[in-house]
Amino acid sequence: QQQVKQSPQSLIVQKGGISIINCAYENTAFDYFPWYQQFPGKGPALLIAIRPDVSEKKEGRFTISFNKSAKQFSLHIMDSQPGDSATYFCAAIVNTGTASKLTFGTGTRLQVTL
Amino acid sequence: DAGITQSPRHKVTETGTPVTLRCHQTENHRYMYWYRQDPGHGLRLIHYSYGVKDTDKGEVSDGYSVSRSKTEDFLLTLESATSSQTSVYFCAISNKRGSGDQPQHFGDGTRLSIL
Repeated sequence: QQQVKQSPQSLIVQKGGISIINCAYENTAFDYFPWYQQFPGKGPALLIAIRPDVSEKKEGRFTISFNKSAKQFSLHIMDSQPGDSATYFCAAIVNTGTASKLTFGTGTRLQVTL
Repeated sequence: DAGITQSPRHKVTETGTPVTLRCHQTENHRYMYWYRQDPGHGLRLIHYSYGVKDTDKGEVSDGYSVSRSKTEDFLLTLESATSSQTSVYFCAISNKRGSGDQPQHFGDGTRLSIL
């Protein structure tokens, strides 16, 4: 059972366009929502993250929108560039008695064309 | 880049053989994690460690064991490898058990093929 559902699976956007990736979660115990970017042959790298008491967070061209009541959040990449071509994972964190555990979405492969 | 080294980076082995993957960190972080990445599943937590000799199971721990005898090293062992364990394995580290201001940093992975 996928606790964090991510869509679309793949996305093609023209240079300068807006890329939008959506995620939904079920577990209300999640208390932080990061996005990771992964290039081929590399590990995921933290891109941006948001707490559930905030509706929007922006860092440069990257914005997270968060809807707590709907249990949904999304990543917007403004002015998409070919260098943004990568796989993006949404994730959710829950704190247990011993550690913080990350649950990942299934990933979105973004291709930005010229 | 966070000081995380995974070894080997690639390995091909046969069903039934034991396999050990190593994660070495130079950051002195307390928490270490092993994930596997498979198409259509994202990354899934196998085991994690919250201190030397302190480990616990993750979401997909069956068939795997771990050990941590030193802060800097976290080993993942497949006692008897099966083809279903063919995957890319990632190690991650973090410094605090915080909600998100201490994110997990990932190594570059080990690609394991079991024939």
